Amino acid sequence: GQNIDQPTEMTATEGAIVQINCTYQTSGFNGLFWYQQHAGEAPTFLSYNVLDGLEEKGRFSSFLSRSKGYSYLLLKELQMKDSASYLCAVRDSNYQLIWGAGTKLIIKP
Amino acid sequence: ETGVTQTPRHLVMGMTNKKSLKCEQHLGHNAMYWYKQSAKKPLELMFVYSLEERVENNSVPSRFSPECPNSSHLFLHLHTLQPEDSALYLCASSQDFGDPYNEQFFGPGTRLTVL
Repeated sequence: GQNIDQPTEMTATEGAIVQINCTYQTSGFNGLFWYQQHAGEAPTFLSYNVLDGLEEKGRFSSFLSRSKGYSYLLLKELQMKDSASYLCAVRDSNYQLIWGAGTKLIIKP
Repeated sequence: ETGVTQTPRHLVMGMTNKKSLKCEQHLGHNAMYWYKQSAKKPLELMFVYSLEERVENNSVPSRFSPECPNSSHLFLHLHTLQPEDSALYLCASSQDFGDPYNEQFFGPGTRLTVL
């Protein structure tokens, strides 16, 4: 079966750095997405990786290793507004998005 | 504001009621999606429409019936639901279905409670 694993919850301190991991087992691979979802709001797109390596976008970076079935989202200079759930999703060989259950990130002052 | 709107935002219904969820996208996209989001569970894809044709139906019970009258609108008709159907129902759109890069734009969701 297809599976996406990510931690259920993480806590970090304002101004610090946090890394949210995602491992996947899917039938085929056509890219990996990270989305942010604030409580009660729509998920919003953060990043897309299809090749191995690091993609940097401001305070957020996303890394992919296809051989390991592994990705992480790195958030730097954490702000209180970064408190949200972070969803990892992989597009499989049928072009469907397979989603993880999300990681709830709690930022403390 | 993602360009995808959903109404109503909240809905409480009995098991014998019939109701409909509405989604509208203002992005000129060709693909639209219905997802179910339950607490601490992955998003579950329910239906996909591409150019108003249904392309995916992931073993969804017949008490959920989608309708896509045009590329901008998507409905989810509900009837004789069960309490376990209570969840957040999210609508999304993307430029095309089948393009690996296409990100999906989500609406704010309808919080459904079935009594």
